[in-house]
Amino acid sequence: EVHLVESGGGLVQPGGSLRLSCAASGFTFSNYWMTWVRQTPGKGLEWVANIKGDGSVTYYVDSLRGRFTISRDNAKNSLYLQMNSLTAEDTAFYYCAREVYYNSPDYWGQGALVTVSS
Amino acid sequence: VMTQTPLSLSVTPGQPASISCRSSQSLLHSQGKTYLYWFLQKPGQSPQLLIYEASSRFSGVPDRFSGSGSGTDFTLKISRVEAEDVGIYYCLQGTHFPRTFGPGTKVEIK
Repeated sequence: EVHLVESGGGLVQPGGSLRLSCAASGFTFSNYWMTWVRQTPGKGLEWVANIKGDGSVTYYVDSLRGRFTISRDNAKNSLYLQMNSLTAEDTAFYYCAREVYYNSPDYWGQGALVTVSS
Repeated sequence: VMTQTPLSLSVTPGQPASISCRSSQSLLHSQGKTYLYWFLQKPGQSPQLLIYEASSRFSGVPDRFSGSGSGTDFTLKISRVEAEDVGIYYCLQGTHFPRTFGPGTKVEIK
């Protein structure tokens, strides 16, 4: 059974940084593209970034490129999202998800809440 | 831009329901496939995939769910709504970069 568990969310001050982690199990992690999607009440679901199975290729939504970095450690079956220069607009639930189909997740984690506030 | 109609829907159990998703540009990819997906986010849960590539049901999805459409217009149909179908339904286009989600359609039971 595919299992994805995010961690690392919490309260951070504006301008601060946070690193989210996603622990994967139940499938051969290195064979799959992985993705981060965030959800806010105001903007709904927004794709953030994805990364190829071997980590050699990454893509980002234009608005976040340069501030957010996606990475993975296949030896640890883990996906990461480094978030820098955070603003209130980054407050959201962040989901990691596996990709099987072209540009679409199939299984999602339960999400990690990131709150940016002073 | 992805739009969905209606934005909310109240359905009697056992009755059908239909949700429309429209894209501002064709979702037919140069590879010949249409990368339109449907998700359901039940209350307090993360989204779950229902339909991939416009009309294929994902593993384990009941056959009361069906997807149809092409080009810019797509429809998700529930043949007989059950209480467990409540939540917010989202469409997602994966044909054009960046992938984008529709605003969601909230389905509740009468």
